[in-house]
Amino acid sequence: DTEVTQTPKHLVMGMTNKKSLKCEQHMGHRAMYWYKQKAKKPPELMFVYSYEKLSINESVPSRFSPECPNSSLLNLHLHALQPEDSALYLCASSFTGTPDSWGTDTQYFGPGTRLTVL
Amino acid sequence: AQKITQTQPGMFVQEKEAVTLDCTYDTSDQSYGLFWYKQPSSGEMIFLIYQGSYDEQNATEGRYSLNFQKARKSTNLVISASQLGDSAMYFCAMREVSGGSNYKLTFGKGTLLTVNP
Repeated sequence: DTEVTQTPKHLVMGMTNKKSLKCEQHMGHRAMYWYKQKAKKPPELMFVYSYEKLSINESVPSRFSPECPNSSLLNLHLHALQPEDSALYLCASSFTGTPDSWGTDTQYFGPGTRLTVL
Repeated sequence: AQKITQTQPGMFVQEKEAVTLDCTYDTSDQSYGLFWYKQPSSGEMIFLIYQGSYDEQNATEGRYSLNFQKARKSTNLVISASQLGDSAMYFCAMREVSGGSNYKLTFGKGTLLTVNP
């Protein structure tokens, strides 16, 4: 089973709202990722968690705040977003989170959350 | 310079025919992984197939196969017996091990495949 789940599927929020995106996997994967994807573009990496610790922050604005409460769960807290933040937010996970793993580590993606900021 | 190049923004194929989607890559690493993902209009990124840089054989997964030419730095995806459900965006991606980019997938711009009945 290579299932990554994401909730909600769709989210509409105002610029003053606070909301959270949730991602869950039960495959025993130790690395989890957030990506942002604009229409007709490839996904862009935002954050990487390895063994529940933040490993990579791709210079993402602080209005996006990731959290990894345990090895199966990844949240993305949203606050004071801008309309240009409207996009598809994809979560992914992979088996290893070790820096010396080979390029074999496949990332499995969830179905995404379509976010609209009004 | 782009690390992953997909030169075909859009491709059309008749149902039941085979189609090849092109992908070239640029890396100085000896160890790397190459991945293909399918993204239907629903948005989910579906992993299709993987090729490791040290793999001697071309990868195959059901109707998907790779034409991996390491010296030319290309990894083209071949879809045999196309089905209407294959209509989607296809992304080629590379994962390099060195240079602190271990976790990162570098994606190409994608190829939008349309299967005609």
